[in-house]
Amino acid sequence: DAGVIQSPRHEVTEMGQEVTLRCKPISGHDYLFWYRQTMMRGLELLIYFNNNVPIDDSGMPEDRFSAKMPNASFSTLKIQPSEPRDSAVYFCASTRDILFLTFGAGSRLTVL
Amino acid sequence: AQTVTQSQPEMSVQEAETVTLSCTYDTSESDYYLFWYKQPPSRQMILVIRQEAYKQQNATENRFSVNFQKAAKSFSLKISDSQLGDAAMYFCAYQRGNFNKFYFGSGTKLNVKP
Repeated sequence: DAGVIQSPRHEVTEMGQEVTLRCKPISGHDYLFWYRQTMMRGLELLIYFNNNVPIDDSGMPEDRFSAKMPNASFSTLKIQPSEPRDSAVYFCASTRDILFLTFGAGSRLTVL
Repeated sequence: AQTVTQSQPEMSVQEAETVTLSCTYDTSESDYYLFWYKQPPSRQMILVIRQEAYKQQNATENRFSVNFQKAAKSFSLKISDSQLGDAAMYFCAYQRGNFNKFYFGSGTKLNVKP
């Protein structure tokens, strides 16, 4: 298995632009998590899905953030409009039976 | 609320020596799981070791072992025979049984000196 695949690895954009981060979970994993990592706040859970359904989005910072999972093999995290304080590394992780999380390599976002 | 505390922001160890990273957590639950993840400079999060709270025996994975003290809510990671490749950020994590959120500590940066 190729593991959890995230794209892009790096994204540099200007304030106000729309950003879309993508994630392909491991086949057969029925849970998908989006985390954000910053120096100040560490790893924060943004949202997670079970069987493509959002279960808990209480960690999503504000309405500018949205996440979707249209099918079992694909999820997106969208920020519109982006702001400099959104600069962070965004991780996608998946699991089956909540044994442990398998993380993707992360997407480093820089908003200028 | 569940919290995970790693009180050592940074530590150093000499190659081939042993180092212990500390982690404490707060919970009122009896069924839960604890994890140590490693994040090298490549930033990939890698599972190091996992411990079920109901198991008294400490988990071990090759050079990595834990000291799980349930009453004290302590979950430390011991790395024996440290290698240069062990240099990374180490995160302690907690997950309540049958509950899907994983809570992470702030991390400990481990430096390994040749």
